[in-house]
Amino acid sequence: DAKTTQPNSMESNEEEPVHLPCNHSTISGTDYIHWYRQLPSQGPEYVIHGLTSNVNNRMASLAIAEDRKSSTLILHRATLRDAAVYYCILRDVGFGNEKLTFGTGTRLTIIP
Amino acid sequence: NAGVTQTPKFRVLKTGQSMTLLCAQDMNHEYMYWYRQDPGMGLRLIHYSVGEGTTAKGEVPDGYNVSRLKKQNFLLGLESAAPSQTSVYFCASSLMRPYNEQFFGPGTRLTVL
Repeated sequence: DAKTTQPNSMESNEEEPVHLPCNHSTISGTDYIHWYRQLPSQGPEYVIHGLTSNVNNRMASLAIAEDRKSSTLILHRATLRDAAVYYCILRDVGFGNEKLTFGTGTRLTIIP
Repeated sequence: NAGVTQTPKFRVLKTGQSMTLLCAQDMNHEYMYWYRQDPGMGLRLIHYSVGEGTTAKGEVPDGYNVSRLKKQNFLLGLESAAPSQTSVYFCASSLMRPYNEQFFGPGTRLTVL
């Protein structure tokens, strides 16, 4: 599996935008970029995913570099509830590649 | 719609004891997964299933067995628990296409003394 690199931790002020980076220099053409987050004492939850184009949903935006070797998860207006560990995961779209490979993620702290 | 539920929420075992963790989902998902999470680490896949009656090994399958007799249930068994199996166990499910999101349960915290 192609690997991802994320900062161990980040801090952001409440009600400000947050940009969470992820490097994936060995990404293949069939890898989707997935983001999950894990709130304290809970199971992970899906945030967003994309292949080549930038993506938006109600939770966040995903900006993907033109060469796809990096991506950024954008939380437009952080709240205290967004404090969590964020995981950037590559997932091959090919049939038979069902697993998600979690790294250690980025621990996001929101400052009131 | 309860999503993914796990039973029990907490359990303490002695070394050598056995137990079964139950995962249930009501979303009619084909795929189900069992992960473990050790302190300060990401999740690691133990076993998974792509449909009723099927199972496959993940990244860390040793010491665990699984069964998927019904589409909505996925059981994780520990035949002879060891302290190294102390962890938080998460179950997840998803639709058939691999890039669909996985829905996770709340977790089971297991301590083996």
